[in-house]
Amino acid sequence: DQQVKQNSPSLSVQEGRISILNCDYTNSMFDYFLWYKKYPAEGPTFLISISSIKDKNEDGRFTVFLNKSAKHLSLHIVPSQPGDSAVYFCAASSMNYGGSQGNLIFGKGTKLSVKP
Amino acid sequence: DSGVTQTPKHLITATGQRVTLRCSPRSGDLSVYWYQQSLDQGLQFLIQYYNGEERAKGNILERFSAQQFPDLHSELNLSSLELGDSALYFCASSFRGETQYFGPGTRLLVL
Repeated sequence: DQQVKQNSPSLSVQEGRISILNCDYTNSMFDYFLWYKKYPAEGPTFLISISSIKDKNEDGRFTVFLNKSAKHLSLHIVPSQPGDSAVYFCAASSMNYGGSQGNLIFGKGTKLSVKP
Repeated sequence: DSGVTQTPKHLITATGQRVTLRCSPRSGDLSVYWYQQSLDQGLQFLIQYYNGEERAKGNILERFSAQQFPDLHSELNLSSLELGDSALYFCASSFRGETQYFGPGTRLLVL
């Protein structure tokens, strides 16, 4: 059973417009969420994170929104650039839940294509 | 560059063989995590070590084992390899367990 779901395998956006990537989770013990970007043949690169005590975190062009009641988070990229084209992974962990100590549960990723 | 290094970058071997993957964490990080990425399963957590001790286990097969040494580098040992073990293996490290930084991965091909 997938605890972290990214229901859109791919997303295509025009350069300069907003990209919105979505992620849903089922485990209410998750209290820390991250987004990673991955290019082919490279490791995931950390982008931005959010703790469950917040509902928004912003870093430059990247903003992550968390809706705990809906168990939903989204990553907004504004404005989108061709260099943003990559696979984006949503990940979750239970930092304060005894036992797991922070190992990440990943979604299957969304491939973003930003067209010039 | 995340600061996490992994060797080798590529590994080709035959079924039934044993291989060792190596990871050096970022300077100062005490936790090392191993993940497997296969085509159909996505990124799956295998095992975590913290300051030399096993901290958490995920979907790690009994044929696989890992350890973390006093200098904090870690090795993932895969034995009795099967075709289905072909995948990308990533190592990640963190200081307090929140944000994990990933290495470039080792691509394993079992023929």
